[in-house]
Amino acid sequence: SQQGEEDPQALSIQEGENATMNCSYKTSINNLQWYRQNSGRGLVHLILIRSNEREKHSGRLRVTLDTSKKSSSLLITASRAADTASYFCATDEMIQGAQKLVFGQGTRLTINP
Amino acid sequence: DAGITQSPRHKVTETGTPVTLRCHQTENHRYMYWYRQDPGHGLRLIHYSYGVKDTDKGEVSDGYSVSRSKTEDFLLTLESATSSQTSVYFCAISDVAGGRKNIQYFGAGTRLSVL
Repeated sequence: SQQGEEDPQALSIQEGENATMNCSYKTSINNLQWYRQNSGRGLVHLILIRSNEREKHSGRLRVTLDTSKKSSSLLITASRAADTASYFCATDEMIQGAQKLVFGQGTRLTINP
Repeated sequence: DAGITQSPRHKVTETGTPVTLRCHQTENHRYMYWYRQDPGHGLRLIHYSYGVKDTDKGEVSDGYSVSRSKTEDFLLTLESATSSQTSVYFCAISDVAGGRKNIQYFGAGTRLSVL
């Protein structure tokens, strides 16, 4: 089952601009996480936001969570070429009696110099 | 990659042959996971382990088996590889499952091609 769905699937912007990616999910959650994946590498955890939080910051990253709309957004400010990567949201879901992370399909972000 | 080593990093094999992928961690984390990543499907959970000799199925477990005889090693076996198992396989670890903080740390991946 696919819990999180990212939008857009691909995003291309100029260096220095802000990048916004969205994630929608279907069921209630305890928390939502964002991960980054550079080409040919594994995923790296960026930030976690709990269901009782509305906004969280980490450096140039800002995550919002709207549980009434079952959606989250990741904003990267003042983008850099090194931000070029795929970004995934992940939510916890009960699968076969145990709680696991379910990842969306990701947004592929390209930062043009 | 957070003390996680996947081997091999690349493998080409033929349909019908057995294949074993290895994940080794040096973090002493309790939970270990195997995912596959395919275009259009994102990451899908194959199997996971919540302790030595304790494993369970994930979303796409058919055709795969796992074993965990030591805390640090989690093996994924394709008993008889098929072309549909061509994919990139990721191992992940975490110290807390579910609930409040199931942050997972990923290996670099194994690219498997089944011809």
